[in-house]
Amino acid sequence: DSGVTQTPKHLITATGQRVTLRCSPRSGDLSVYWYQQSLDQGLQFLIQYYNGEERAKGNILERFSAQQFPDLHSELNLSSLELGDSALYFCASSVTGSTGELFFGEGSRLTVL
Amino acid sequence: GESVGLHLPTLSVQEGDNSIINCAYSNSASDYFIWYKQESGKGPQFIIDIRSNMDKRQGQRVTVLLNKTVKHLSLQIAATQPGDSAVYFCAENPGTYKYIFGTGTRLKVLA
Repeated sequence: DSGVTQTPKHLITATGQRVTLRCSPRSGDLSVYWYQQSLDQGLQFLIQYYNGEERAKGNILERFSAQQFPDLHSELNLSSLELGDSALYFCASSVTGSTGELFFGEGSRLTVL
Repeated sequence: GESVGLHLPTLSVQEGDNSIINCAYSNSASDYFIWYKQESGKGPQFIIDIRSNMDKRQGQRVTVLLNKTVKHLSLQIAATQPGDSAVYFCAENPGTYKYIFGTGTRLKVLA
């Protein structure tokens, strides 16, 4: 158990809909990362937050947004969903966000029908 | 570019043999590297890390080698066991607050 909690574990929805994925980092970790993993592919970096502020952005679509709240949990919002958005979405946390190990949650599997 | 999506290369090894998984990283400014193991349906798990001021680092049954000249990392697993079957990713940190993951290699351990 990495200490990173992601909900929901599984989500099935329809095209055009909007979903919110939630992540609670490890206790004491200030930084949260979001990654997308499509079937049998690598981890695509989406976005990183540190202590509530956006710090780095990757290949995140405009339909996607995220935020980190004062209690350090984070949410990833995916809107106008398309079939191609079906993937595993991972949250990871680290103490500083600049170096050191990333601790990953178990992921949220999104299926768009 | 970052983390290219490709079909995963597969390495098949006999149980008890040593495994070597390779990774080419992209950014010469990267100064920190991690190997992760991902089992089916689970999140990536940390295996071992190495900083750019080192060439080699050993853990329990695992060794990471870093060749900065050719931007190459390798993960060696000694006496490979069935429980080592997973996808292995290398990740680099180029100091831009984001960790860039490699494509991944699927390790299959044959009994």
